[in-house]
Amino acid sequence: AQSVTQLGSHVSVSEGALVLLRCNYSSSVPPYLFWYVQYPNQGLQLLLKYTSAATLVKGINGFEAEFKKSETSFHLTKPSAHMSDAAEYFCAVSPYSSASKIIFGSGTRLSIRP
Amino acid sequence: NAGVTQTPKFQVLKTGQSMTLQCAQDMNHNSMYWYRQDPGMGLRLIYYSASEGTTDKGEVPNGYNVSRLNKREFSLRLESAAPSQTSVYFCASSPGTSYNEQFFGPGTRLTVL
Repeated sequence: AQSVTQLGSHVSVSEGALVLLRCNYSSSVPPYLFWYVQYPNQGLQLLLKYTSAATLVKGINGFEAEFKKSETSFHLTKPSAHMSDAAEYFCAVSPYSSASKIIFGSGTRLSIRP
Repeated sequence: NAGVTQTPKFQVLKTGQSMTLQCAQDMNHNSMYWYRQDPGMGLRLIYYSASEGTTDKGEVPNGYNVSRLNKREFSLRLESAAPSQTSVYFCASSPGTSYNEQFFGPGTRLTVL
């Protein structure tokens, strides 16, 4: 069964610092992978999606993620954190056996220090 | 385009009461989903409807029922609410073709006393 593991339930960085949120997946076949963001008291919105077209995926708000098959990872990065990036971030995988479903990780809460 | 809308936004129930959470989408999507979100557990799929006229159980279906009323609307019913069902509930929709992202509503915060 496919799954995702997000390392670190809470990450805190200073404004202007690098943001790195870690996600590892388990899958016997190349998966489709997603990063979603949830701002306080809102629903989730898509940041970016990997569909095997390119290993480096660029998303909204300056975020990007790199698919590394050898490491089974799909870490999310942003070169310079902004206060508005404070939110919860979810990594997710679409199971090969059921293309219309998505399995979510447990989430990482990102805090930004002034 | 309103996207995915959910009603109500907040609800407090007593144990044993019933209620229906409503969800509608105006994007002509085929697939719709109900999730619950609990601290530290991410989102867990309750039920989904891959297309109009079909519904399937997700990871945590016990205590819930769903109805895909038409292509736009997908409701979630709690027949006899329990404190363990205190959660934030999200409805989502997707086009339904391979590996499409899902679009989420704003959520319903439910407390069962």
